[in-house]
Amino acid sequence: SSELTQDPTVSVALGQTVRITCQGDSFRSYLASWYQQKPGQAPVLVIYGRNNRPSGIPDRFSVSSSGNTASLTITGAQAEDEADYYCNSRDSSANWVFGGGTKLTVL
Amino acid sequence: QVQLQESGPGLVTPSQTLSLTCSVSGGSINSGGSYWSWIRQHTGKGLEWIGYINYSGNTYYNPSLKSRVTISVDTSKNQFSLKVNSVTAADTARYYCARGPGDGGDFDYWGQGTLVTVSS
Repeated sequence: SSELTQDPTVSVALGQTVRITCQGDSFRSYLASWYQQKPGQAPVLVIYGRNNRPSGIPDRFSVSSSGNTASLTITGAQAEDEADYYCNSRDSSANWVFGGGTKLTVL
Repeated sequence: QVQLQESGPGLVTPSQTLSLTCSVSGGSINSGGSYWSWIRQHTGKGLEWIGYINYSGNTYYNPSLKSRVTISVDTSKNQFSLKVNSVTAADTARYYCARGPGDGGDFDYWGQGTLVTVSS
């Protein structure tokens, strides 16, 4: 089982703001990275560290962290944002681990 | 633009060895500080990091798989490889190669993945 816990499903109305959370004790020491995966495709890095976005990723994606929770916020969700989202960081033994994933539905 | 491509058998017999290769293009596997990982995903499930290697051959494995996994690198071919010994049906998954973790803990480039089925 993952040491990073995500809500299995989250929904958001088109154009609204949604927060996807990831809980784990590792966030007291490490930052998270976040990946978007659409059906039949490989994961894509969307954001990591302190709001570092790869080229081509819209700035509506942002991250924050508080205590043992890391969050991915999508401000003004678009239809193309519907996907599975995975957080990633280190576990208590400093091994790399992914959260169980959150399926985002854009209504 | 770095690109990664996995290759290897799509079907492996139980108790045998799963072998995959990741070919890297658009960049050198020797790039200073770069790490190269294998990650797998069981159908309909989440992602599981298997391990990584750097250009000089230093490796680090997921403890849950460490006893059965070997990752190696061939800098002359700009490739790195994965071997998983004594496979069972539980090793049936899509296997991805990726660059990372980077300094920010990120896996920034991924291959498209290859489905490996363990079955007799």
